[in-house]
Amino acid sequence: AQKVTQAQTEISVVEKEDVTLDCVYETRDTTYYLFWYKQPPSGELVFLIRRNSFDEQNEISGRYSWNFQKSTSSFNFTITASQVVDSAVYFCALSRSNDYKLSFGAGTTVTVRA
Amino acid sequence: KAGVTQTPRYLIKTRGQQVTLSCSPISGHRSVSWYQQTPGQGLQFLFEYFSETQRNKGNFPGRFSGRQFSNSRSEMNVSTLELGDSALYLCASSPGQIGNTEAFFGQGTRLTVV
Repeated sequence: AQKVTQAQTEISVVEKEDVTLDCVYETRDTTYYLFWYKQPPSGELVFLIRRNSFDEQNEISGRYSWNFQKSTSSFNFTITASQVVDSAVYFCALSRSNDYKLSFGAGTTVTVRA
Repeated sequence: KAGVTQTPRYLIKTRGQQVTLSCSPISGHRSVSWYQQTPGQGLQFLFEYFSETQRNKGNFPGRFSGRQFSNSRSEMNVSTLELGDSALYLCASSPGQIGNTEAFFGQGTRLTVV
């Protein structure tokens, strides 16, 4: 069975602070894919990043960065210099090869105060 | 390029009734999947269709069904509604297998069962 754990339920920060969201996953597969999605109040899930299990390179995209470590089964996400517009629920998800679905973590609500 | 369109956006139904939700994927996308989001259970996978074939189904009772048409549009149906079916139902489309590509989500249909 596969499982995604986001231990942080809520995080509240002041604008310009950095925020790191933790994601720990469990799977017995050697080929799998990891994702981060953002859900603003409007409801739709916005894709942020996809990583396959063979690519452990960390990635930076603007103020966003991701740290993928297979040794600890973690795929953490950092928002640098947070802004009010970053306020949303963030989901980490896992997909197995040939499974055709995403298994989501419980989500972390991020509130950025001005 | 138009995004994933879900209709209706909001729905109120009475226990025992049935409901049909619609999803129009991004043009060219052949995979459509459905997820139920509730405060208690989080995001749970319902089913996935590709070229009119259901490839995977989540752990939901038979009251939940779906289908996909030749133009890739999809509908899901819930019969004999229960109070616990109140949720945000999200549709996602992708050009191929989720994992190999990212999934794009619609804004969802918020179903309230009274």
